[in-house]
Amino acid sequence: AQSVTQLGSHVSVSEGALVLLRCNYSSSVPPYLFWYVQYPNQGLQLLLKYTSAATLVKGINGFEAEFKKSETSFHLTKPSAHMSDAAEYFCAVRTQGGSEKLVFGKGTKLTVNP
Amino acid sequence: EAGVTQFPSHSVIEKGQTVTLRCDPISGHDNLYWYRRVMGKEIKFLLHFVKESKQDESGMPNNRFLAERTGGTYSTLKVQPAELEDSGVYFCASSQVRGFNHEQFFGPGTRLTVL
Repeated sequence: AQSVTQLGSHVSVSEGALVLLRCNYSSSVPPYLFWYVQYPNQGLQLLLKYTSAATLVKGINGFEAEFKKSETSFHLTKPSAHMSDAAEYFCAVRTQGGSEKLVFGKGTKLTVNP
Repeated sequence: EAGVTQFPSHSVIEKGQTVTLRCDPISGHDNLYWYRRVMGKEIKFLLHFVKESKQDESGMPNNRFLAERTGGTYSTLKVQPAELEDSGVYFCASSQVRGFNHEQFFGPGTRLTVL
């Protein structure tokens, strides 16, 4: 069965600092991996996805993630945090075949301090 | 183009009552998913429709939950009778296709509180 672990339920950074949100996955097949963001009172929005093309994936709002098979990781980074990045971030792996449902991590709430 | 919409945004009910949640997917999206997030836990899959047919309901917690998708358009999720542990946020998502580039678009969720 596929699973996702997000280290750190809360991460706090200063405005302008590096953002690093950690995600490790478990999958018996090459995974399709996703990062979603949820801003307050909104639905989940796709930030980026890995589907076995380039290992470094660029997403919206300056975020990127690197797929590392040897480490079973898909960490999300942004070089310089902005106040508007404050949100909850979810890493997910998609099952292949069948319903192609998403299996999510527990989420990481990002706080950006001025 | 309108996104996925869900109604109501919040619902507060007493234990034992019935609640019906509604999801309107993006027009033309055949795939519709329901997920749930219980407080402090991860978002978990409940079930998947393709048009009006249930393809996978492996995540439905028990027979107090009934999902329908009449005519392959909007979907409802009924909880009857509601229990305290049903409290959480219920998300709906839709996608046009499955496969390599399929993306699920999520609604804002319905926050259900059972007292």
